[in-house]
Amino acid sequence: AQSVAQPEDQVNVAEGNPLTVKCTYSVSGNPYLFWYVQYPNRGLQFLLKYITGDNLVKGSYGFEAEFNKSQTSFHLKKPSALVSDSALYFCAVRDQGNTDKLIFGTGTRLQVFP
Amino acid sequence: KAGVTQTPRYLIKTRGQQVTLSCSPISGHRSVSWYQQTPGQGLQFLFEYFSETQRNKGNFPGRFSGRQFSNSRSEMNVSTLELGDSALYLCASSLAGTSGRTSTDTQYFGPGTRLTVL
Repeated sequence: AQSVAQPEDQVNVAEGNPLTVKCTYSVSGNPYLFWYVQYPNRGLQFLLKYITGDNLVKGSYGFEAEFNKSQTSFHLKKPSALVSDSALYFCAVRDQGNTDKLIFGTGTRLQVFP
Repeated sequence: KAGVTQTPRYLIKTRGQQVTLSCSPISGHRSVSWYQQTPGQGLQFLFEYFSETQRNKGNFPGRFSGRQFSNSRSEMNVSTLELGDSALYLCASSLAGTSGRTSTDTQYFGPGTRLTVL
């Protein structure tokens, strides 16, 4: 069965510093991986996805993610954090078969301090 | 292009009542999925519709049901509401080509409907 894990409930980083939000996955077959961000009282906003190809995926708002097959990881990164990046981040994997179903991690709250 | 819209945004109901939530996908998107988000259980998949057919269903009781119309708009219904049904209900849509195969499609989410059951 497909699954993702986000080992950190919260990540704290100072503004201007690089940030990393971790995600590991377990899949049967090819992994289709996604990152979403959720701001308070809002839905999920798509950041980026890995389907195939380059291991470094670039997304919205300066975020990128590195796909590592040997470590089964898909960590979200940004070179320089902004206070406005403070939000809840979800990693997700597409379920097997012909379905849109996403299986989400538990979420990581990112807090960027000025 | 307008995003996914959900109505109503907020809803307060009492136990035993039923509720219907509505979702309008992005224009041209043919697949609609529903998720429930709670602090305790996180994001859980409810069901998925494509071409007016339920293609996949999560592990929720039969009180939770949905449907999709010919214009791809979708509704979900919860009957005999329980306190534990209080949650943010999120709808998402994706393109899904003529064959309906999704795999690599991106799902775009609406703002959600916040349901409170008293």
